[in-house]
Formats: sequence, structure tokens, C-alpha cells
Amino acid sequence: RKEVEQDPGPFNVPEGATVAFNCTYSNSASQSFFWYRQDCRKEPKLLMSVYSSGNEDGRFTAQLNRASQYISLLIRDSKLSDSATYLCVVILSGGSYIPTFGRGTSLIVHP
Amino acid sequence: NAGVTQTPKFRILKIGQSMTLQCTQDMNHNYMYWYRQDPGMGLKLIYYSVGAGITDKGEVPNGYNVSRSTTEDFPLRLELAAPSQTSVYFCASRLGLAGGDNEQFFGPGTRLTVL
Repeated sequence: RKEVEQDPGPFNVPEGATVAFNCTYSNSASQSFFWYRQDCRKEPKLLMSVYSSGNEDGRFTAQLNRASQYISLLIRDSKLSDSATYLCVVILSGGSYIPTFGRGTSLIVHP
Repeated sequence: NAGVTQTPKFRILKIGQSMTLQCTQDMNHNYMYWYRQDPGMGLKLIYYSVGAGITDKGEVPNGYNVSRSTTEDFPLRLELAAPSQTSVYFCASRLGLAGGDNEQFFGPGTRLTVL
């Protein structure tokens, strides 16, 4: 089983739709969780951290489910500009805090 | 702050050639990382460093070497380029305070083709 797994998609949704992605992780000792956004041929950039209590940033909501070992990202009222690949990142506790990346989920928002 | 800078942006190498990918950060971050990303795939960690003078292997270190003589610089060396090293290489840095909740900042990447 891979350490961090994501459905690669693509998810094709119309503008205004609500879309959700999940990311599962295998190591229960994982401590920190993030969602990054990567545009085509560009570097990844932090979208949001994921906190145990869940957190929201505008149209984006991130949640953590430690019991089932997954994190989720919900995007409401999708915009064309949301089209990108969304990378799930997990960091194990202790040691050198090495981030492990999922392969990403591709989102295409169409008019 | 310029953030994380990488040079060159693009490079074509012949099999067996050597090159160094440069990475510099001006944020006084402790942690630095080198990743490669193949088309349609996630980032794979090549090497990382937790501070000047300290480096360690990641998931895919074979064929690469690194050094960290200063806090700012973390060059990646390819000694004998092979077609399997054709990829996009990203350098990243992170402040690295106790606890893992520090974001990584990425450079713009180097697109390397080995023919």
C-alpha cells in the first residue's frame, strides 16, 4: 500500500459545482497534513494546512479523519481558475519531518 | 525576498554528461529538499538537508549527489546522466521549527532532458 494515495482523476466539473477530493495515508503516526495546488508545468504552492478540527478558507474546506486515516478537500462554487492538480502532503511525527506527497488529483472546471 | 531560486530553467544533456542543478533560498530556512517529478506522477524525494553540513538520502537518490556547505545553497549533482533522469526537478525549503506545521516553498523547477 502506498503511503499517500489519491485518485488521479481527472475530475471534470462545471463552473459553480461543488467537488471533493480524498487522500488516504497509511502511517497512523502521521502528524501534519497539507493540500498543495500545482498548475501545469509550475511548482506546487501551499493551498492550506489541514487541522484536526477542520478548517475553511473561503470556498475551500479541509478536514482530517484520523480514525479512517484520510484527509479531504472540498471546493464550493468552482471557478475556471480552480483547474489544477491538488497534491496531498503528509508528514510523519518525529525524526526529520519528511513530507510525503500523493501523486495528485487533477481538477478541470469547464464553463 | 526572492524565495527559492533554481538554475537553469531548462537543460538538455547527452548520456554520460554531468551537470549541477543550482538551488538557493534567501529565507534562512533550515530544511532543503530536492524532488523529481515525472509526467503525471507525484514528487519523489531525492535528497534532503536539515541544515548546513547535513544531508540525507530520500526515496530515489541513485545517480545523484548533494552538498550543503551553506544555509542558502543546496546544489544537486548528476554525474553520469541517463535517459531515466529526464524529469522536472524541484528544489524546496522549509523553516523547520519544532513540529511539522511549516509549509514548503518551491523553486520554479528545472526541466532536464537526457538524450
